[in-house]
Amino acid sequence: EVQLVQSGAEVKKPGESLKISCKGSGYSFTSYWIGWVRQMPGKGLEWMGIIYPGDSDTRYSPSFQGQVTISADKSISTAYLQWSSLKASDTAMYYCARPYGPTFHDAFDIWGQGTMVTVSS
Amino acid sequence: SYELTQPPSVSVSPGQTARITCSGDALPKKYAYWYQQKSGQAPVLVIYEDSKRPSGIPERFSGSSSGTMATLTISGAQVEDEADYYCYSTDSSGGVFGGGTKLTVL
Repeated sequence: EVQLVQSGAEVKKPGESLKISCKGSGYSFTSYWIGWVRQMPGKGLEWMGIIYPGDSDTRYSPSFQGQVTISADKSISTAYLQWSSLKASDTAMYYCARPYGPTFHDAFDIWGQGTMVTVSS
Repeated sequence: SYELTQPPSVSVSPGQTARITCSGDALPKKYAYWYQQKSGQAPVLVIYEDSKRPSGIPERFSGSSSGTMATLTISGAQVEDEADYYCYSTDSSGGVFGGGTKLTVL
């Protein structure tokens, strides 16, 4: 079974750093892009960026460029989303997701369960 | 990155046809996709490449696209179809979601 399993919920203070993870299984991890999607409380879905674990080619939405870092470790089939200094406005559910096809133009059809990040002093 | 515009809400009675629209300047050249998201759950792809239905998605869900507008149609909407629906498309730099439409079936 193809699945993405994300790390657990996090509670952090403003200014702290954080790295959340997304482990893929049941498919060739290096052959598909993995993207990250933000959903702030009560709001819609926002495309943050995407990485190709095969060669680490990474694309960011202009809204998130410079705010987060997306990376992957293909040796353990895991993608990451990282912040160096969290803000209260980073409070959201974060989903990783895999496209149904081999390009990042293909829509996501496999989703992780989501990681809730809460940033509060 | 361009924008996709959806109505904030659509309401129908059970058994009626629900139509949710999505407008975007690039849709004549790019595919539209549709997601269903129920409260507290991850999104589920219900339509891909404008009008194709993934396996396991009921036949009452259909999609179409013409010019700058894509449409998700739910024929004979059921109470369990009540959810948020998002259109999605991509451009050269990445993906973009519409703002979402809350479908109420009551």
